[in-house]
This record gives sequence, C-alpha cells and structure tokens, in this order.
Amino acid sequence: GENVEQHPSTLSVQEGDSAVIKCTYSDSASNYFPWYKQELGKRPQLIIDIRSNVGEKKDQRIAVTLNKTAKHFSLHITETQPEDSAVYFCAASPGNTPLVFGKGTRLSVIA
Amino acid sequence: DAGVIQSPRHEVTEMGQEVTLRCKPISGHDYLFWYRQTMMRGLELLIYFNNNVPIDDSGMPEDRFSAKMPNASFSTLKIQPSEPRDSAVYFCASQRSSGRYEQYFGPGTRLTVT
Repeated sequence: GENVEQHPSTLSVQEGDSAVIKCTYSDSASNYFPWYKQELGKRPQLIIDIRSNVGEKKDQRIAVTLNKTAKHFSLHITETQPEDSAVYFCAASPGNTPLVFGKGTRLSVIA
Repeated sequence: DAGVIQSPRHEVTEMGQEVTLRCKPISGHDYLFWYRQTMMRGLELLIYFNNNVPIDDSGMPEDRFSAKMPNASFSTLKIQPSEPRDSAVYFCASQRSSGRYEQYFGPGTRLTVT
C-alpha cells in the first residue's frame, strides 16, 4: 500500500521568510496530493491540492510542486505570517481510495 | 452547505461506559471516513464507507469499536466498553466519488475517558 513520508516534523521561520515542507510517496499509482492545515484545536482543512497531470499549482502565497518521477511533492509558503503557524499534513491517494497522510509538520512563524 | 457535522463536540466519560459518536456527512458525498487523532499516533484511519457500506475496517483498533452507517446522512462510531487509552479526537470526513477527491473533515469529537 501507499506510504507517505513528510519532512521536517517541525519548522520555525521568521515572519516574511519562506517555508518549504516536503513529502515522498511510494505508490506510483497515486495521482492526487492534497495539503491540509490544522490549527490548534481545529479540524484539518484542505488548503491546496494537485493532481498528477500538473507539475505546479499556486494560490496566492502557497504553491505545491509535484515530481512524479522522483515521487515527491512539496508545499511552499511565501511571505509567511503568524497566522500560518499550524500543523500541515500532506497526503496521497490513487483516487477513490482513502488518503494516506504524512505525520505532519508543525510550522511556527516567529514575529 | 453546513459541512460535515459531528456530535458531541466534547465527551467525558468513565472507563467501562459506552460512547457513541455521531456524524452527518456533506449532502451528496458518498464516502465517509472515521479518523482518530492523538499526539503519539497522529491521524489514523479507523474505517470508511462507500454508499453506506463499510469498505475497510482494518484500522479499527479492536472489537470494542464498531461503526454503522444506516443511511446516506448519518453514521455512528461506538466504543463499548471505553478505556482511558481511547482518549483522542475523533474526526469524521466525507468525500464525493464522482471525479473529485477533496475530503472534508468535521469539527471532531474530543473524547476523554477517565
């Protein structure tokens, strides 16, 4: 089955700097890669996703990149703000099967 | 759309008691997932349903856990008897199968077993 590794487990950046979180997956059949943000005490919320027919996707200050050959995908947050502080989860799925989640990255943005 | 609805939001119970968690998925979503989240184990998939039918319950920790989905708009997760190690946040999530894979989470139920 699918296995998703996520790095780093914790990340601290200065406000205004960029943050990058990386994930690798094992199942070459996976074709859907979402990212979730979970604030303290809240539910995981989908913030961006990418499908395997696309190499990059942007939404304002966040972007995801996908390298199918290397089986890795990354989340990039530019101009970080204190409200970006949260736990971020990557996930992978071949489609209509359950998402397999990474262990999460705790991002702290220091003002 | 109200999103995924879960109840109760918080539950405190004593060891040995029965606990029932409830979930209403987003209308039109035909997949429903139950997850458990703890600091130690992260986000674990317990069971999921497609069109009200349980597809994979291999994540259910033991026979004390059971889940049902009697119709498209309601599911329950029951723990009987509960134990302190069951303390966690339980999330329900739903997803539409027809070409879109986005999965949406409910607000969760924080369960404390004393």
